[in-house]
Amino acid sequence: SYVLTQPPSVSVAPGQTATITCGGNNIGGKSVHWYQQKPGQAPVLVVYDDSDRPSGIPERFSGSNSGNTATLTISRVEAGDEADFYCQVWDSSSDHPVFGGGTKLTVL
Amino acid sequence: EVQLVQSGAEVKKPGESLRISCKGSGYTFTSHWITWVRQMPGKGLEWMGRIDPSDSYTNYSPSFQGHVTISADKSISAAYLQWSSLKASDTAMYYCARHPRGSGVFDYWGQGTLVTVSS
Repeated sequence: SYVLTQPPSVSVAPGQTATITCGGNNIGGKSVHWYQQKPGQAPVLVVYDDSDRPSGIPERFSGSNSGNTATLTISRVEAGDEADFYCQVWDSSSDHPVFGGGTKLTVL
Repeated sequence: EVQLVQSGAEVKKPGESLRISCKGSGYTFTSHWITWVRQMPGKGLEWMGRIDPSDSYTNYSPSFQGHVTISADKSISAAYLQWSSLKASDTAMYYCARHPRGSGVFDYWGQGTLVTVSS
């Protein structure tokens, strides 16, 4: 089955840029979606189809996808961005979605 | 406004049965799949399965096939996740989410239902 690999944790100072990666075999050929989950809350979609943002999501959140790595970039990080982030794709071979293991973003 | 509202927290004993619900509003319920996701304490998101509310077609993860049943009642815009015999290892938060036909993105999520199974 298809596997997505994320770093367990990323730390960044306020105002800096956070980069969270999601690795998968030829992930560049798939649509990648990203979810933010704050403590005690349900996940929220922040980027879909590699780089599109749902309405209401700040422009500070952006995404890219190429080769074997998709990336979520959060510019001008704020304390309120601290959360777990999950990438997700649809595995067409199994007709199932696959989630990455999640990355905990810590704002120093 | 699109909303998925889930039923409240449950505390059950091993061996008991349970059905939790997810009620959609603010959109045409039959135009989107409903999926269920498990999150065990301190762990990540696991896809369990999904249902097409228009015809109740279901699709399960092999990890959950045979352990849970997903159903829907389109007349009241509700989807369900059901266990016939709970285990302590079923203790988790369960989320429903919707995704549009032809798309693999989960654009709206329920608030979650915490299920605790303990003797």
